[in-house]
Amino acid sequence: DTAVSQTPKYLVTQMGNDKSIKCEQNLGHDTMYWYKQDSKKFLKIMFSYNNKELIINETVPNRFSPKSPDKAHLNLHINSLELGDSAVYFCASSPPGQGLISYEQYFGPGTRLTVT
Amino acid sequence: RKEVEQDPGPFNVPEGATVAFNCTYSNSASQSFFWYRQDCRKEPKLLMSVYSSGNEDGRFTAQLNRASQYISLLIRDSKLSDSATYLCVVLGAGNNRKLIWGLGTSLAVNP
Repeated sequence: DTAVSQTPKYLVTQMGNDKSIKCEQNLGHDTMYWYKQDSKKFLKIMFSYNNKELIINETVPNRFSPKSPDKAHLNLHINSLELGDSAVYFCASSPPGQGLISYEQYFGPGTRLTVT
Repeated sequence: RKEVEQDPGPFNVPEGATVAFNCTYSNSASQSFFWYRQDCRKEPKLLMSVYSSGNEDGRFTAQLNRASQYISLLIRDSKLSDSATYLCVVLGAGNNRKLIWGLGTSLAVNP
């Protein structure tokens, strides 16, 4: 009965490949997020969806494309993977807060992506 | 100046010690402040919010100083299980209404 789950947990792939990471939450939250945490441990938001609609789209390469089929799922597809994409990708969800963004974020366990 | 700055540490303290971390933020219009905890190779988890009047949760005390634009986290009677990275998080204001994360302060509590 994991609250926020991500698959896969580990992903090792070669440069140039296309890969997807899936995220699901069973908390009934309306807002979901993708974060990237690089080797320096810097946690940076990439995207946020509220009820399947994109509300935050930070400056990330357009090789990254999020998709939210319903409010419980937010997937991340990455095209033409590069070495610099190696990082841990966290999915998160949050209940309603002030406006659409709540400070109370529930994170998934992360997907450790290694591009070789 | 970074939007949210923390001393990365590491802070190495013995069990039972009191340790304090500070975090500074650059946008004076920032509205809300939080501390998250991240264990090694795990996801971040909310530790506590920081209220204007200061707040306490067991051995943890959080304080906000708006004039100097910093927040602090004080841990009393440190336990081995407190070893983690503590992330300062600021909810931006206006057009920058999103969570801005500090790099974190690493704490190691030693027996």
